[in-house]
Amino acid sequence: GAGVSQSPSNKVTEKGKDVELRCDPISGHTALYWYRQSLGQGLEFLIYFQGNSAPDKSGLPSDRFSAERTGGSVSTLTIQRTQQEDSAVYLCASSFREPPSYEQYFGPGTRLTVT
Amino acid sequence: AQSVAQPEDQVNVAEGNPLTVKCTYSVSGNPYLFWYVQYPNRGLQFLLKYITGDNLVKGSYGFEAEFNKSQTSFHLKKPSALVSDSALYFCAVRDIRSNDYKLSFGAGTTVTVRA
Repeated sequence: GAGVSQSPSNKVTEKGKDVELRCDPISGHTALYWYRQSLGQGLEFLIYFQGNSAPDKSGLPSDRFSAERTGGSVSTLTIQRTQQEDSAVYLCASSFREPPSYEQYFGPGTRLTVT
Repeated sequence: AQSVAQPEDQVNVAEGNPLTVKCTYSVSGNPYLFWYVQYPNRGLQFLLKYITGDNLVKGSYGFEAEFNKSQTSFHLKKPSALVSDSALYFCAVRDIRSNDYKLSFGAGTTVTVRA
């Protein structure tokens, strides 16, 4: 079946602009995760959704970052007033919830470049 | 707290030789452990996991890993490496007692298999 999809695959934006990154999880997966992959920082957890709620937002780097999930499916990660340090690959993953040990399946990522 | 260490940034082997990628972990309780592989400009691809049961787990593409609780290790192995195994490998851990569902990843190990 279809895997996790993300759009856009690449995004170049000017410093100070807002961007929206989209994730479409695997059908039936109730849990959804956002990670950031950047040079020197490795893979960094950002936020986790169970259904439409986000029990853990502690990984978001600043209040410029926000995320939502609607209908228990598609999620959007929004970065306001982008900064150059936001440049990274943003990865989305999804999994079954029960048990939470189930492996996470990752999308191809969105490469964000802030100029 | 949970963390993973991958002590080798790079591993180089000749095709047909055994391949080992090292991983050690730290969790407060018992771990769920995972290996992922990332090919250039691609998302992370799940290889295998240890949840419970046999310490030796087998995964995709002929890879296996051995869970060693006393040494807190989960090394990835392949008896005979292929050139196509050249990629970036990540080990990840989650504490089964943790209330958040995030995975903590190692920094990654770049594997190069020469023909």
